[in-house]
Amino acid sequence: GAVVSQHPSRVICKSGTSVKIECRSLDFQATTMFWYRQFPKQSLMLMATSNEGSKATYEQGVEKDKFLINHASLTLSTLTVTSAHPEDSSFYICSARDKDRGNQPQHFGDGTRLSIL
Amino acid sequence: GNSVTQMEGPVTLSEEAFLTINCTYTATGYPSLFWYVQYPGEGLQLLLKATKADDKGSNKGFEATYRKETTSFHLEKGSVQVSDSAVYFCALREGGSGNTGKLIFGQGTTLQVKP
Repeated sequence: GAVVSQHPSRVICKSGTSVKIECRSLDFQATTMFWYRQFPKQSLMLMATSNEGSKATYEQGVEKDKFLINHASLTLSTLTVTSAHPEDSSFYICSARDKDRGNQPQHFGDGTRLSIL
Repeated sequence: GNSVTQMEGPVTLSEEAFLTINCTYTATGYPSLFWYVQYPGEGLQLLLKATKADDKGSNKGFEATYRKETTSFHLEKGSVQVSDSAVYFCALREGGSGNTGKLIFGQGTTLQVKP
């Protein structure tokens, strides 16, 4: 079945570091990918919708300069947390829609646990 | 706006017990409804879905029926196993040809099944 690969699975870094997270669709093309953030024991909150070849659409309250999204190809979207601080520590999950199967459910990556010291 | 509400957890059951996790939604139009499962430290996996009223989604012994009259999509399983222990998320996706594909999630319900 459709697979979404997210890398890295875990990152631990110092405050002030920028961290890049990759989301790849392995066996389908995705014009749209989604980035979610999940706090411990809480639900997933959509941060932004990543559109191939165009700017991402950010949800209200999400700082676009803090969370940079690039969707340069039909199989790759990246989320860069710039100058990360401890409050950015969280579980980040991406998902992707198969462009040829628009009404099918999204496929999720396994998530990236980001810990900022 | 659109929203999803799930029963609070954790839900603790003995193996082979009957499971119900309630989910209700608020939406305009005709959304699609989903249940996702998240095992510890992992991303989400689609468990089942329903795209229109009265549809029943089913998978791995779980089932849920899209009830438009009660705006509900309760998850049920007749006999749970220890391996079913996970967090379950109810979600909706807006309907219509112009939908963005954006999912709105409930808060999640943790299920703990004891042997």
